[in-house]
Amino acid sequence: GEEVAQTPKHLVRGEGQKAKLYCAPIKGHSYVFWYQQVLKNEFKFLISFQNENVFDETGMPKERFSAKCLPNSPCSLEIQATKLEDSAVYFCASSPRPTGNNYNEQFFGPGTRLTVL
Amino acid sequence: ILNVEQSPQSLHVQEGDSTNFTCSFPSSNFYALHWYRWETAKSPEALFVMTLNGDEKKKGRISATLNTKEGYSYLYIKGSQPEDSATYLCAFGDSNFGNEKLTFGTGTRLTIIP
Repeated sequence: GEEVAQTPKHLVRGEGQKAKLYCAPIKGHSYVFWYQQVLKNEFKFLISFQNENVFDETGMPKERFSAKCLPNSPCSLEIQATKLEDSAVYFCASSPRPTGNNYNEQFFGPGTRLTVL
Repeated sequence: ILNVEQSPQSLHVQEGDSTNFTCSFPSSNFYALHWYRWETAKSPEALFVMTLNGDEKKKGRISATLNTKEGYSYLYIKGSQPEDSATYLCAFGDSNFGNEKLTFGTGTRLTIIP
């Protein structure tokens, strides 16, 4: 598609439950990024993929968070045993493969709002 | 830890007036500075990607400048309109890969008063 799609729009989980978020990048884009936005508009990088391979996972919490991008499937971000502090909006972005010295924009989806009660 | 700061945090501007705000970022290991326009519950919309010192970019009434030596970028809006009300985010890219993770500022929330 021409836009990054994220589902669901809203997700409510009780503390300790699992949460799974999905992202369909723009067709033809090789890179997918996940960002977490908790407070005051601060977008925090979590993980990025180049096709189905993890490209950079320096922002991923070591425990409870995992992500995948499998061929012919939406990418996913999964949180096992959610905690109150996981409440946030999770944004996905995609970007085409860089060409030469051109820096590419990251195209963002509308986000999934996760509320942990 | 990279520090990207934006000021002011919020701004109210009369319709028709021009305005500008600032993004400051580390001047070392600079590769790219991105500007986004974001309305809550919508997708952040990419405005500019700037890579060269002295870069100036323009899109309609919105323009941006870049000073990588001193580590700041300005975003200008000329003749503000109600539809300009949004949060403006800048983001710093610190890798020369071209598909680097972004470090965001906390944004400037702009409200245009009709």
